[in-house]
Amino acid sequence: DQQVKQNSPSLSVQEGRISILNCDYTNSMFDYFLWYKKYPAEGPTFLISISSIKDKNEDGRFTVFLNKSAKHLSLHIVPSQPGDSAVYFCAAVDGSSNTGKLIFGQGTTLQVKP
Amino acid sequence: NAGVMQNPRHLVRRRGQEARLRCSPMKGHSHVYWYRQLPEEGLKFMVYLQKENIIDESGMPKERFSAEFPKEGPSILRIQQVVRGDSAAYFCASSARQGVFNYGYTFGSGTRLTVV
Repeated sequence: DQQVKQNSPSLSVQEGRISILNCDYTNSMFDYFLWYKKYPAEGPTFLISISSIKDKNEDGRFTVFLNKSAKHLSLHIVPSQPGDSAVYFCAAVDGSSNTGKLIFGQGTTLQVKP
Repeated sequence: NAGVMQNPRHLVRRRGQEARLRCSPMKGHSHVYWYRQLPEEGLKFMVYLQKENIIDESGMPKERFSAEFPKEGPSILRIQQVVRGDSAAYFCASSARQGVFNYGYTFGSGTRLTVV
C-alpha cells in the first residue's frame, strides 16, 4: 500500500521556467512533509519541509505548498536551473508513530534543459 | 564536521554469503535510520536505532537481516545468506534528536550491494 505517491515519474522544463513537482498522500495522520533531492550515486539531500499546520513554506527558489483537504503537496522551483536536474523525493512523517521514520514516494526525475 | 559516512560504497557478494554495511553518524548524532532503495523505487524504511537500542524494526525483513548500533563504533546492518533480491542501495541517515524535521535528516552516500 503506497501511502505517499508521486504519480509523475519524470518532468522536463526549460531553464528559467517554473518546475512543479507533485505528491499525494493517503494517511491523515501524517504531520510533517519533507522534500529531498538525489543525484545518481549519492544520498538524498534535504531541501525543504512543511508542518501540517501550515500551507506554505518558502526557502529561496524552493516553495512547498500543502493542501490538507486534498492530501496533496507540491514543490515549486523558480527559476529552474540545470543544476536542479535530479530525482526529487517527497517524504512524510507519521505523527502517530513517534519514531520519526520517513515514508517516501517513488520519486520524480526532473530534467532542466539549458 | 564530516557527514554521515557509509562504507563500503560498493559491495559485491555471491549468493549465500554475508554482507555487512557500516554507518558512522554525524558527530553528536545518536539516532540512526536505515533505508533501502530497490531499483526504480523510492526509499523504504528498515530500522531505527539509538545507541545500544533498536527502537523500531518494523521495516526489516523477518529473516536474515539484523542491525545494531553499539555504544562505541558504527551502526552495522547485517544481511546473512544474501539472495539476488537483496541487491539494492542501502542508505543510512542520522539525527541529533527525534522528531525535529525543519532541517530533515542527513543521509550518507549509501552502499550499493550487488548479489551475483
